[in-house]
Amino acid sequence: SQKIEQNSEALNIQEGKTATLTCNYTNYSPAYLQWYRQDPGRGPVFLLLIRENEKEKRKERLKVTFDTTLKQSLFHITASQPADSATYLCALDINAGNMLTFGGGTRLMVKP
Amino acid sequence: GAGVSQSPSNKVTEKGKDVELRCDPISGHTALYWYRQSLGQGLEFLIYFQGNSAPDKSGLPSDRFSAERTGGSVSTLTIQRTQQEDSAVYLCASSPRTTTETQYFGPGTRLLVL
Repeated sequence: SQKIEQNSEALNIQEGKTATLTCNYTNYSPAYLQWYRQDPGRGPVFLLLIRENEKEKRKERLKVTFDTTLKQSLFHITASQPADSATYLCALDINAGNMLTFGGGTRLMVKP
Repeated sequence: GAGVSQSPSNKVTEKGKDVELRCDPISGHTALYWYRQSLGQGLEFLIYFQGNSAPDKSGLPSDRFSAERTGGSVSTLTIQRTQQEDSAVYLCASSPRTTTETQYFGPGTRLLVL
C-alpha cells in the first residue's frame, strides 16, 4: 500500500540556519507533490507544489526538490526564523483528481 | 476574501450521541474534502465531493459516518452514535478546480467524545 514517511521527531535548529525536511514515499508515482504548513490549532496552509517533471522549485526562502527515482522530496527553509516554527506536511496525489494523501508531518522548531 | 469556515469550532459530546459538523467552502470552489486529524497525527482522508458527481466515500471509517453537500456549496459531516475513538480534529478543505491542486483548509472542528 502507499506509504508516505516524514520524520516524526522534531527538528530543532538555530535561527539563520537552513532547515531541511524529508518526505519519502513508496509504491506510487505521483504526478505532483505538495508541501503544507500547519500551526497549532489551525488547518494546513499550502506552500508549494512540485510536479514530477520538475527537479526543483523555489518561493522566497523556500526550496523544494523532487527526486522521482529516489521517491523523495526535500523541503528547505533558508535563513530560518523563529516564525518558521510549525509542522510541515507533505502530500501526494495518489488517485488523480480525487484526493491527497498526507504524511504525518515534521515539527520544526527554530530557536533564536 | 473569506476562506473556508467550519462550525462549531469545538464540540464536546457524550458517547452514543450524534453530531453534525458544518463546512462552508470558498465561494466558487467545486471540490470539497473532509479529513480527520488525531492528536499528533497526519491527515486522514474521509470523503471528497466534486461538483454534482457522486462523492468519493472511500475514506469513511464506518457506516456511522456520512456527509452531504447541498447545492454544491455547504457540506455537513454527520457522525452517528459517536465513540471515544471518534475524538479528533475534523478538517474541511476546498479546491477551485477539478484536480487536487492547492487545497484551502478551514480551521477545523475539535470533537471530544466523553
